[in-house]
Amino acid sequence: DGGITQSPKYLFRKEGQNVTLSCEQNLNHDAMYWYRQDPGQGLRLIYYSQIVNDFQKGDIAEGYSVSREKKESFPLTVTSAQKNPTAFYLCASSIDRAQPQHFGDGTRLSIL
Amino acid sequence: KQEVTQIPAALSVPEGENLVLNCSFTDSAIYNLQWFRQDPGKGLTSLLLIQSSQREQTSGRLNASLDKSSGRSTLYIAASQPGDSATYLCAYKWGDYKLSFGAGTTVTVRA
Repeated sequence: DGGITQSPKYLFRKEGQNVTLSCEQNLNHDAMYWYRQDPGQGLRLIYYSQIVNDFQKGDIAEGYSVSREKKESFPLTVTSAQKNPTAFYLCASSIDRAQPQHFGDGTRLSIL
Repeated sequence: KQEVTQIPAALSVPEGENLVLNCSFTDSAIYNLQWFRQDPGKGLTSLLLIQSSQREQTSGRLNASLDKSSGRSTLYIAASQPGDSATYLCAYKWGDYKLSFGAGTTVTVRA
């Protein structure tokens, strides 16, 4: 089955630690996205990538970093500079930036 | 700033009642508007997508309308069932093909 796989489902971060969230898709989509979801708020765009080896900052990129070395993979690193990382993180992909986005099942990040 | 408002934030209805979920947005220059369903702890599932040139879309018991001039979209769910209990989000695509999301309406259908 084609789809988007996010791992792990739950992740815990200690103070001063960087953590990496995985997002893999086998849909052969060019575009990939990372969103953050907080209670009572709409999803906010962190980073997006339209093609391999290219990515752009979204609305809330501070404290996050990404890479896009392979078409199917778009990992997100939450750095120690992100002071309020507790949230639900969603990865999405689309054929290109104009087409509808398909979402993974998310990773919930909490602080220890 | 692109803003999307969904009212009410939560809704509880008895089984069989029709559901009406509202979404309002501030930008009239939209490419399309999409309604999603989100189950607890899960990702988003697309329900309906309405292009800016369309007035409505239908899929089974779901019907979504779009009025760009007033900045509103409405999702109707006919004859609600307990399995319809979820959070429903609307999002519109604008500008540089970005999506702006509402915070969602959490629906509970009581058996």
